[in-house]
Amino acid sequence: EDKVVQSPLSLVVHEGDTVTLNCSYEVTNFRSLLWYKQEKKAPTFLFMLTSSGIEKKSGRLSSILDKKELSSILNITATQTGDSAIYLCAVLEYNFNKFYFGSGTKLNVKP
Amino acid sequence: GAVVSQHPSRVICKSGTSVKIECRSLDFQATTMFWYRQFPKQSLMLMATSNEGSKATYEQGVEKDKFLINHASLTLSTLTVTSAHPEDSSFYICSASRTGVYGYTFGSGTRLTVV
Repeated sequence: EDKVVQSPLSLVVHEGDTVTLNCSYEVTNFRSLLWYKQEKKAPTFLFMLTSSGIEKKSGRLSSILDKKELSSILNITATQTGDSAIYLCAVLEYNFNKFYFGSGTKLNVKP
Repeated sequence: GAVVSQHPSRVICKSGTSVKIECRSLDFQATTMFWYRQFPKQSLMLMATSNEGSKATYEQGVEKDKFLINHASLTLSTLTVTSAHPEDSSFYICSASRTGVYGYTFGSGTRLTVV
């Protein structure tokens, strides 16, 4: 059964800390893996990863895909209270027919 | 764990016809369901929020008469795209939440192609 698992489910850190969020997947026809940040209404797109080993960066956020390990990590350095959100990982199936979402990691950054 | 089933996963329809997409919570009661559109490499765009037994709340710019949402029970919400046009082609994704429970559970999406 195709699935996406994120860990940890929740995380509490202090400002300035570095965090690593994990996403592992078992999807038969993997196409790409997407990371989103959800604060309020709708998830905001962060990254889309298709190739293994190529890091994508945006400011303090970075992400990398490991197709051998069927996983991805999302790193946030020098965390700020504004990083507090639910971070979602989703895998898009090759035929563009399905998304498989993880349950999300709830990050709480304390001042 | 909580599971949301979305059906169909893929649909191709002719311009001018209507398409219904179902979103079901399989093992929990979903007090609130959300409908999104997903464009490639973009954020999910919230279209509407539906609460069981009441009218859906649509986001600004979303046509109520075109995207009909029904949330008749605690386990089922439907989105009907009426008089579909090629520009309606997109991924439509639903998610559900439960009162007092953290997080959202997402459906697997429906890829709509209007020809």
